[in-house]
Amino acid sequence: QKEVEQDPGPLSVPEGAIVSLNCTYSNSAFQYFMWYRQYSRKGPELLMYTYSSGNKEDGRFTAQVDKSSKYISLFIRDSQPSDSATYLCAMSLNTGNQFYFGTGTSLTVIP
Amino acid sequence: EAGVTQFPSHSVIEKGQTVTLRCDPISGHDNLYWYRRVMGKEIKFLLHFVKESKQDESGMPNNRFLAERTGGTYSTLKVQPAELEDSGVYFCASSPYPSPYEQYFGPGTRLTVT
Repeated sequence: QKEVEQDPGPLSVPEGAIVSLNCTYSNSAFQYFMWYRQYSRKGPELLMYTYSSGNKEDGRFTAQVDKSSKYISLFIRDSQPSDSATYLCAMSLNTGNQFYFGTGTSLTVIP
Repeated sequence: EAGVTQFPSHSVIEKGQTVTLRCDPISGHDNLYWYRRVMGKEIKFLLHFVKESKQDESGMPNNRFLAERTGGTYSTLKVQPAELEDSGVYFCASSPYPSPYEQYFGPGTRLTVT
């Protein structure tokens, strides 16, 4: 069983839609949860990180962590064509050193 | 502030040859990581340096892979001899102390072994 599961998509939405991206995980010891955005042929770009459970908001992006369900989400409001990319979730133990990644979800926002 | 840089961006070598990948972390970042993504799979951890010391090399696949970090600055990852299954994208990341969860990635080196 993989440590982190992520639906690869692809996901296609119209501009302005709310996008929901999700990951599930198996290791209850994960404490840090990260979301990265990766454009084609580029490196992953850190969007947000959260510690333990709860919500965190940054502009149009909201990250949610539900440790009881081992489920994390990233919401994108008012999606833009520039949001078209692959979104990767990652998580780590309390030391935070080794990241465990999902395979990524490909998102296309159609103008 | 300059980001993490990696060189080369792409390398094509034959099976049995040697390749050395280089990573320059963000200035002042003590933590440096190597990850690899094989086609169709998730990004996987290889190893972690704190300054010039290897903190965790549990993800290194075998002894054909050798990583060094000179003087706690740039790092190199050597593959010798390369095998077909070593093909993939090698990412380097760095993070400041004491925020290991805030890892910033480079653009990656795409390695193709033929």
